[in-house]
Amino acid sequence: AAGVIQSPRHLIKEKRETATLKCYPIPRHDTVYWYQQGPGQDPQFLISFYEKMQSDKGSIPDRFSAQQFSDYHSELNMSSLELGDSALYFCASSIRQGRSTEAFFGQGTRLTVV
Amino acid sequence: KQEVTQIPAALSVPEGENLVLNCSFTDSAIYNLQWFRQDPGKGLTSLLLIQSSQREQTSGRLNASLDKSSGRSTLYIAASQPGDSATYLCAVVRGSTLGRLYFGRGTQLTVWP
Repeated sequence: AAGVIQSPRHLIKEKRETATLKCYPIPRHDTVYWYQQGPGQDPQFLISFYEKMQSDKGSIPDRFSAQQFSDYHSELNMSSLELGDSALYFCASSIRQGRSTEAFFGQGTRLTVV
Repeated sequence: KQEVTQIPAALSVPEGENLVLNCSFTDSAIYNLQWFRQDPGKGLTSLLLIQSSQREQTSGRLNASLDKSSGRSTLYIAASQPGDSATYLCAVVRGSTLGRLYFGRGTQLTVWP
């Protein structure tokens, strides 16, 4: 079965650089979520999109932005990177079908800022 | 604010034991609860989803229960195996359809042969 695809899997950037993370949701899923997981931490919600519109916003820094495109893939753009941005970034997708919102996660992008 | 707590933080057991992982949440107005498994440095694998109207879900050796009124869920793993070693995360969706997950810190499980 198709899963959530994230690219790249690993990324190393220097401070003040920019990074773009990509997410391809499961086909026919209409909602995409982004989470950040720091070392030894639980995943923290950043932002979500439903049918290409931002649907919810969490603790996403102003330096970050995201969007969902017409083919439903999503990109997380991160600028002026800081050492503290080093984390595992997950994308998840779900489909709003009835009352079920089971989320399926990708393998994540490990971002290291040096 | 929804807070999710998981106890214990770590658990080490011999192979074959039955074990229980606990999850509690402060806001009982949840939409659903999901249990995940995470291997080191890897993604989150969904194990079980319990809707707010349900009391339990089963998948193979896993059984998850939900007591919404008391704000608790348990994940029961029967006949544990070394391959079950991973971190188990509990997450809840609050009473809306937006789907944001609130995670606990997880229970790190080690099953030794």
